[in-house]
Amino acid sequence: EVQLVQSGAEVKKPGESLKISCKGSGYSFTSYWIGWVRQMPGKGLEWMGIIYPGDSDTRYSPSFQGQVTISADKSISTAYLQWSSLKASDTAMYYCARIVRSLDYWGQGTLVTVSS
Amino acid sequence: SYVLTQPPSVSVAPGQTARITCGGNNIGSKSVHWYQQKPGQAPVLVVYGDSDRPSGIPERFSGSNSGNTATLTISRVEAGDEADYYCQVWDSSSDHVLFGGGTKLTVL
Repeated sequence: EVQLVQSGAEVKKPGESLKISCKGSGYSFTSYWIGWVRQMPGKGLEWMGIIYPGDSDTRYSPSFQGQVTISADKSISTAYLQWSSLKASDTAMYYCARIVRSLDYWGQGTLVTVSS
Repeated sequence: SYVLTQPPSVSVAPGQTARITCGGNNIGSKSVHWYQQKPGQAPVLVVYGDSDRPSGIPERFSGSNSGNTATLTISRVEAGDEADYYCQVWDSSSDHVLFGGGTKLTVL
């Protein structure tokens, strides 16, 4: 069974750094792109970027380029999304998803709250 | 850049047919995917490749795509279908994933 399991909710202060994770199982992790999607409170889905864990090829949405870093450790079948300096506007739910042509399997989401 | 346009809301009575559209320039030349998201839950793929259903998705969910409009059709709507629905394409010109703004389906 394909599963993507994300790390737990985080509460951070502005300016702090953060790295959240997405662990894949039940399929060949290195053979599929993994994408990250942001959903701000009460808003729609926004694509942030994708990574191919096989060779770490990474693409970013122009809206998120330079704002976040996407990475992967194929030895432990885990993808990451990280911030070096969080802002209050980063408060959102973040989802990872496996990409075939569509986003066919999704993680359960990681809620990130940034507040002073 | 390429834009996908969805109506903010659609309302339908139980047992009737709901049609949710996704507009885009020559979207018929692209492969469109649809997601259902219920409150507090992660999105779920309900239609991929314009009109295919993943295993476990009821036959009541179907899709079509032609010209400048893709459509998700939900037949014999049930109260449990009330959710937000998003269309999505892969923009090959920029190698980017694109989502529509989402449509809230209300079952009256």
